[in-house]
Amino acid sequence: EPEVTQTPSHQVTQMGQEVILRCVPISNHLYFYWYRQILGQKVEFLVSFYNNEISEKSEIFDDQFSVERPDGSNFTLKIRSTKLEDSAMYFCASSQQGAFTEAFFGQGTRLTVV
Amino acid sequence: AQKVTQAQTEISVVEKEDVTLDCVYETRDTTYYLFWYKQPPSGELVFLIRRNSFDEQNEISGRYSWNFQKSTSSFNFTITASQVVDSAVYFCALSGSNGFQKLVFGTGTRLLVSP
Repeated sequence: EPEVTQTPSHQVTQMGQEVILRCVPISNHLYFYWYRQILGQKVEFLVSFYNNEISEKSEIFDDQFSVERPDGSNFTLKIRSTKLEDSAMYFCASSQQGAFTEAFFGQGTRLTVV
Repeated sequence: AQKVTQAQTEISVVEKEDVTLDCVYETRDTTYYLFWYKQPPSGELVFLIRRNSFDEQNEISGRYSWNFQKSTSSFNFTITASQVVDSAVYFCALSGSNGFQKLVFGTGTRLLVSP
């Protein structure tokens, strides 16, 4: 069964460093998303991406964040200068037809900023 | 603005008991979608169900059933004859129909099923 794959599963980084979280969405999906879950809290929307551009972003997704689809298969989330409060589980998701089909989530990348 | 409320923070049951997880939502959209996701201890989010706002039929899938009531803005989830493997955090979520699936999640209900 096709699945969304995220790497790495866990990343530890020093405050102020740049990190790139990687995702391989399901191959025939056209809509891509990043969500964040701070430990023990709810899952929060960060950004949606379609047709090589951001379609919507939340207030969390400030200038420190960027997304990219560098090739036909990968979808990345970059945090330019990490802060302690960026420590969270980051989930990538993809859907075939946006709101009209369900989104499938990857297993998550746990980011720890020290 | 859209909002999802899961008032039950944690529920503990003994195996084979039935359990219902509550979900109440708020939206001004006339067309919207409701979801349930399961997050087991391993951390991933597992899709369980998606319903659109025009389909109020209850759904049953094995031991799982969902009761959608537009009149009370609720989308409750019942597990019949619970098992230890059902132990997880369950999230209810809502999205509009503007073309993109921005999910608004509730705070989740942690279900503990003991043997």
